[in-house]
Amino acid sequence: AQKITQTQPGMFVQEKEAVTLDCTYDTSDQSYGLFWYKQPSSGEMIFLIYQGSYDEQNATEGRYSLNFQKARKSANLVISASQLGDSAMYFCAMSIYYNQGGKLIFGQGTELSVKP
Amino acid sequence: GAVVSQHPSWVICKSGTSVKIECRSLDFQATTMFWYRQFPKQSLMLMATSNEGSKATYEQGVEKDKFLINHASLTLSTLTVTSAHPEDSSFYICSARFGTTSSYEQYFGPGTRLTVT
Repeated sequence: AQKITQTQPGMFVQEKEAVTLDCTYDTSDQSYGLFWYKQPSSGEMIFLIYQGSYDEQNATEGRYSLNFQKARKSANLVISASQLGDSAMYFCAMSIYYNQGGKLIFGQGTELSVKP
Repeated sequence: GAVVSQHPSWVICKSGTSVKIECRSLDFQATTMFWYRQFPKQSLMLMATSNEGSKATYEQGVEKDKFLINHASLTLSTLTVTSAHPEDSSFYICSARFGTTSSYEQYFGPGTRLTVT
C-alpha cells in the first residue's frame, strides 16, 4: 500500500529565511509522481512543484525546490526567502498512474507560519 | 493553465435533504475526475474516481448510495450527497486530469463547503 508521511504538524519560520518541510513516502511501484500543494485558509489547492520518480535532477520552481532522495524515499520541500504570504497548510502527495489511475494520496499536512 | 470550477462554493442544507455539487473543467476535456473530502484541520481523503461514461470507483469505506457520482460528459462531474446529516458537513474538492498517457498532473477546483444543520 502507498503512504505519505509528514511528521511536522506545525512549523515556524522567520520572514526571509529558508524552511524545509519533510515528506517521506512508501510505495513498491517504480513509476510515481510526487507533488507539493499549498492550501491557504481559503481552501484552494495551489500546485507548487512536481518530481517524477525517474527524474534525476531535483525539481525547482522559483522559490520552491524539492529535495528528492529516492533511496531514502523522501521528498522534502525547501522554501527559500520565506514571505508572510507563505503562511498556509502544505501537503505532500503521491500519484501512481498505472495501478491506481493517477489518484493522489496525501500526507497529513504541515501548517507553516511565517513570522515578521 | 487548466481551470476547474465548482458550484456552489458553499451550501447550507437541512438534515435529510440532498445536495448536488458540480465540478467542471472549463478549458480542457477531463477523462478522469476525483472527489476528495476534507474535514477541518485534516488532510484530503479521496472519496471516488470517476471516468467519463463509466461508473465511479469508490474508496473503501465510502458509501456508494450516499455519495452519488455522475460523470456524464468530459467536462462535468457531479457529486450528490443524499439524505445529508450533520456528520457529512465538510469541504468537498474535485480535481480533474486529462489524457491517457502517464501524466500525473491534476487540476483542482476551489472546493465546496457543505454545512448540514
